[in-house]
Amino acid sequence: GAVVSQHPSRVICKSGTSVKIECRSLDFQATTMFWYRQFPKQSLMLMATSNEGSKATYEQGVEKDKFLINHASLTLSTLTVTSAHPEDSSFYICSARRQFTVNTEAFFGQGTRLTVV
Amino acid sequence: DQQVKQNSPSLSVQEGRISILNCDYTNSMFDYFLWYKKYPAEGPTFLISISSIKDKNEDGRFTVFLNKSAKHLSLHIVPSQPGDSAVYFCAASRPFRGGTSYGKLTFGQGTILTVHP
Repeated sequence: GAVVSQHPSRVICKSGTSVKIECRSLDFQATTMFWYRQFPKQSLMLMATSNEGSKATYEQGVEKDKFLINHASLTLSTLTVTSAHPEDSSFYICSARRQFTVNTEAFFGQGTRLTVV
Repeated sequence: DQQVKQNSPSLSVQEGRISILNCDYTNSMFDYFLWYKKYPAEGPTFLISISSIKDKNEDGRFTVFLNKSAKHLSLHIVPSQPGDSAVYFCAASRPFRGGTSYGKLTFGQGTILTVHP
């Protein structure tokens, strides 16, 4: 079946540094990918929609200058957490759906546990 | 505004019995519903879905029921197994209208299912 791969699975960084998370669709093309964030014991909150070849669409309350999204190809989207702070520590997950399909499931990456110290 | 709600934070079931997980939604524009299973520190795994034109979809031990008039869906797991213990999320999406917003899922808060041997 389709696979979405996310890397790294875990990262620890110092406050003030930037961290890049990659999301790849391994066997299908995805013009759109989605980035979610999950706080402990809470649901998955959509942060932004990554659009291949154009700007990402951010959900209300998400700082676009802090969470930079780049979707350079049909199989790769990256999320960069800039000037990370401890409150950015969270579980980040990406997802994608097969291009040109209707009513199909979204596939999720394995998630990235970010810890900012 | 929580458009998808799972009002039971947890459910405990004996092995071999039925597990019933419930989900309510408020947005009548949703036309496709999905259930995902999630283990800690992993991305969600797709289980089963249902289109709004149906009221039931079955796949092995998993059955999803949709009551559009009540804006309610449920996931039945029969028989329940200890390996089913995880967090279960229901999710909903809106009709495909082209453009880049397709594929966006709105998640419920999740229900922790524990199946006891």
